[in-house]
Amino acid sequence: DGGITQSPKYLFRKEGQNVTLSCEQNLNHDAMYWYRQDPGQGLRLIYYSQIVNDFQKGDIAEGYSVSREKKESFPLTVTSAQKNPTAFYLCASTVDRVTEAFFGQGTRLTVV
Amino acid sequence: AQSVTQLDSQVPVFEEAPVELRCNYSSSVSVYLFWYVQYPNQGLQLLLKYLSGSTLVKGINGFEAEFNKSQTSFHLRKPSVHISDTAEYFCAVSLTGGSYIPTFGRGTSLIVHP
Repeated sequence: DGGITQSPKYLFRKEGQNVTLSCEQNLNHDAMYWYRQDPGQGLRLIYYSQIVNDFQKGDIAEGYSVSREKKESFPLTVTSAQKNPTAFYLCASTVDRVTEAFFGQGTRLTVV
Repeated sequence: AQSVTQLDSQVPVFEEAPVELRCNYSSSVSVYLFWYVQYPNQGLQLLLKYLSGSTLVKGINGFEAEFNKSQTSFHLRKPSVHISDTAEYFCAVSLTGGSYIPTFGRGTSLIVHP
């Protein structure tokens, strides 16, 4: 079945450490997105990529980094510069503006 | 830039009662509109979408939404809710031209009581 796979589902990190969240899709979609979800704040866009080897900052990119070396993969690194990284992170993809976004199951990151 | 406003952060309702979740959008160009549902600790799933044509759109699980261009609204309705409808609901827009990054509202938590 086609879809988006995020791993791990739960992740614990010590303060000061970088951590990478995985996002893989086999839908052959060009565009991929990372959103951060906090209670009462909806989904906020961190980074997006509309083509391989190109990506753009979203609304809250500070403290995060991404890469897009393959069409199928769009990993997100949460760096130690992110002041409040505890959140639920969602990866999504779209094929074009007419179709809906397809989401992974999310990764819940907790800083301990 | 486009924006989405979901007017209610939480909507409590009794089982088998009707419900309406409100969504308004702002955009200088025409948009495509979507409603998604999210169950706890999961990703979002599409409920329904409006692209063009009939302003009344039917989706999965008995939900429907009506696009009102003059009021820039896309409210979600269900005539009779079930306990299993308890979830977070998100309204989203995508521009018909230019960048097509989906923009989401803050979500409405639907709580169905027995």
